[in-house]
Amino acid sequence: AQSVSQHNHHVILSEAASLELGCNYSYGGTVNLFWYVQYPGQHLQLLLKYFSGDPLVKGIKGFEAEFIKSKFSFNLRKPSVQWSDTAEYFCAVSTNNAGNMLTFGGGTRLMVKP
Amino acid sequence: EPEVTQTPSHQVTQMGQEVILRCVPISNHLYFYWYRQILGQKVEFLVSFYNNEISEKSEIFDDQFSVERPDGSNFTLKIRSTKLEDSAMYFCASSLTSSGRAAEQYFGPGTRLTVT
Repeated sequence: AQSVSQHNHHVILSEAASLELGCNYSYGGTVNLFWYVQYPGQHLQLLLKYFSGDPLVKGIKGFEAEFIKSKFSFNLRKPSVQWSDTAEYFCAVSTNNAGNMLTFGGGTRLMVKP
Repeated sequence: EPEVTQTPSHQVTQMGQEVILRCVPISNHLYFYWYRQILGQKVEFLVSFYNNEISEKSEIFDDQFSVERPDGSNFTLKIRSTKLEDSAMYFCASSLTSSGRAAEQYFGPGTRLTVT
């Protein structure tokens, strides 16, 4: 069975700082990779996804993520964060062997100080 | 933009009672899911549903749980006899397909279930 690890549980940044959130997964086969964001009081929203092709994926709101197969990683990046990026970020994977079941990481709470 | 809706937003129930959590998936989606998140823990998959049948279920989804699509719009999760450890946020999701780029899951806002 697959599993997902997010090593940073809480991150505090000042506005304009660069962001990188780590995500590692364990699964030997083909994976689909996702980053979801949950703003305070709101539901999970998809930031970006990777199915195949270019390992550098661009998402909404200036976020991007890079799939490094050899490292089993899918880290989320943003060059310059804003106060409005304060939220909880979840990495998730699905595999073609388990229907479309998503396995989530534990989440990273990001606080951006104005 | 179409969205998944869930009712109620918060449900408080006594241990041993039955609860039904309701979801209205996006109208043209065919695949439906329930997840839960116990406070401070990961979001966990419970069950997926397609063509009026369960496609996949996790170990959490035992005989106390059931899902149903009673009409063309609602998708429900029933917990037959609630336990304290069922207290969690329950998320419904839907997707157009189960594989490929259209397999993106859209999540509802969640129902917070509190069992006392």
